[in-house]
Amino acid sequence: GENVEQHPSTLSVQEGDSAVIKCTYSDSASNYFPWYKQELGKGPQLIIDIRSNVGEKKDQRIAVTLNKTAKHFSLHITETQPEDSAVYFCAASTSPAAGNKLTFGGGTRVLVKP
Amino acid sequence: DAGITQSPRHKVTETGTPVTLRCHQTENHRYMYWYRQDPGHGLRLIHYSYGVKDTDKGEVSDGYSVSRSKTEDFLLTLESATSSQTSVYFCAISEWAGTARESTGELFFGEGSRLTVL
Repeated sequence: GENVEQHPSTLSVQEGDSAVIKCTYSDSASNYFPWYKQELGKGPQLIIDIRSNVGEKKDQRIAVTLNKTAKHFSLHITETQPEDSAVYFCAASTSPAAGNKLTFGGGTRVLVKP
Repeated sequence: DAGITQSPRHKVTETGTPVTLRCHQTENHRYMYWYRQDPGHGLRLIHYSYGVKDTDKGEVSDGYSVSRSKTEDFLLTLESATSSQTSVYFCAISEWAGTARESTGELFFGEGSRLTVL
């Protein structure tokens, strides 16, 4: 089955700096790569996603890049703010159109220091 | 926020006792999932459902069973709880995401059920 590795497990950045989280996946059939943000005491929420036919996608201060050849994808957060402090999960799926059975990475705890 | 309610939100039980967690949705979404969250492991899929009475196993299904008798309810049962099942359990839902629609099959998560098995 699919295996998703995520690094780093913790990330501390100064407010205003950028944060980068990287993930690798093992199944070349994976074609959908979402990122979820989990705030304390809450369930994860989708913040951005990318499909395999796209190399990069941006939404305001967040962007995701995908390298299918190397089987890795990354989340970039620019101009970090205290409200960006949370746990972030990457995930991969081969079947978003038939029930989205996501395989998640281990998570990255991001702390933005004011 | 998606209408997902998990119950109970917190439970402490003893090894060997049965436990049932309930997920109730008001969104009429087709797919429902149970994940467990443990430090360093992210979220791992236990079971999922693709319709009433239609369920299948995820990657960590041993020791768990599920049932879905109505679109809105998805039950997760631990027949005989063990300490290794101490975890936070999340229910999630998604709608069908066929190629003709813009939906990506986004998962909407409940707020979690924290289970401690002593």
